[in-house]
Amino acid sequence: GAVVSQHPSRVICKSGTSVKIECRSLDFQATTMFWYRQFPKQSLMLMATSNEGSKATYEQGVEKDKFLINHASLTLSTLTVTSAHPEDSSFYICSARDRAGGREQYFGPGTRLTVT
Amino acid sequence: ILNVEQSPQSLHVQEGDSTNFTCSFPSSNFYALHWYRWETAKSPEALFVMTLNGDEKKKGRISATLNTKEGYSYLYIKGSQPEDSATYLCAFHSRYSSASKIIFGSGTRLSIRP
Repeated sequence: GAVVSQHPSRVICKSGTSVKIECRSLDFQATTMFWYRQFPKQSLMLMATSNEGSKATYEQGVEKDKFLINHASLTLSTLTVTSAHPEDSSFYICSARDRAGGREQYFGPGTRLTVT
Repeated sequence: ILNVEQSPQSLHVQEGDSTNFTCSFPSSNFYALHWYRWETAKSPEALFVMTLNGDEKKKGRISATLNTKEGYSYLYIKGSQPEDSATYLCAFHSRYSSASKIIFGSGTRLSIRP
C-alpha cells in the first residue's frame, strides 16, 4: 500500500520550453503533496506544499510563476517548470500524505530533468 | 535556519559486519524524526517515525534510537547484507513548522561489500 507514482522518470527538454511532471497517489487519497528538488550531493529541498483544491504554498526563494503547481484532485498533483533553463536541470521528487492520517510521507521515484 | 546533519556522508562495510550512522538535528522545538531508506532508481522508503526522547525502534536488522535533548538519532544495521546498500536519509520535523514540513539531511550512502 501507499504507493506514489511520478511521471516521467526522465525528461530532456530544450531551453525555453515548459515541462509538466505528474505525481499520483495510487492507493490512497492525499490532501497534501510536497514537491522537492535535489541538487547533486545535497539534501532534498522542499519547494512547495500542494493542497488539494487550493493554492500551493511556496518556500522562500522558489518562484511560483516559474514552478506552477496544480493539485486538482485527491490523487494528482502536477508541477510545471515553465520556460525552462539549464539551471533548472535537477532531480524533482514528490511525496504525499495519506488523507487518513499519520506522520509519514510517501515518496514517488523522482524525475530527472535535463534542460539543454 | 534549521540544520540537519548526517554523518558520515558515505560508508563502505563488509557483508556481515554491523554498522551505524548519525543524524544531528536542533534540540529545541522537536516534533518528530523520520528515517528513510533510498535505493537507486526507487522511491525513498519510510523506515521509522520517532517522536519520544529515548525511543528505540526496530525493523528486522535495522534499529534506531532517539535523543531529543541532545539532538541526535542513531541508525544501526546488524549483520549488513548487500540489499542494505542504499542512501539513508533522516528528516527533522519541528513543532513550529507548518503541519507537514520536514527538513532533510543530505544522507549517508551505505555500500556493502560482498
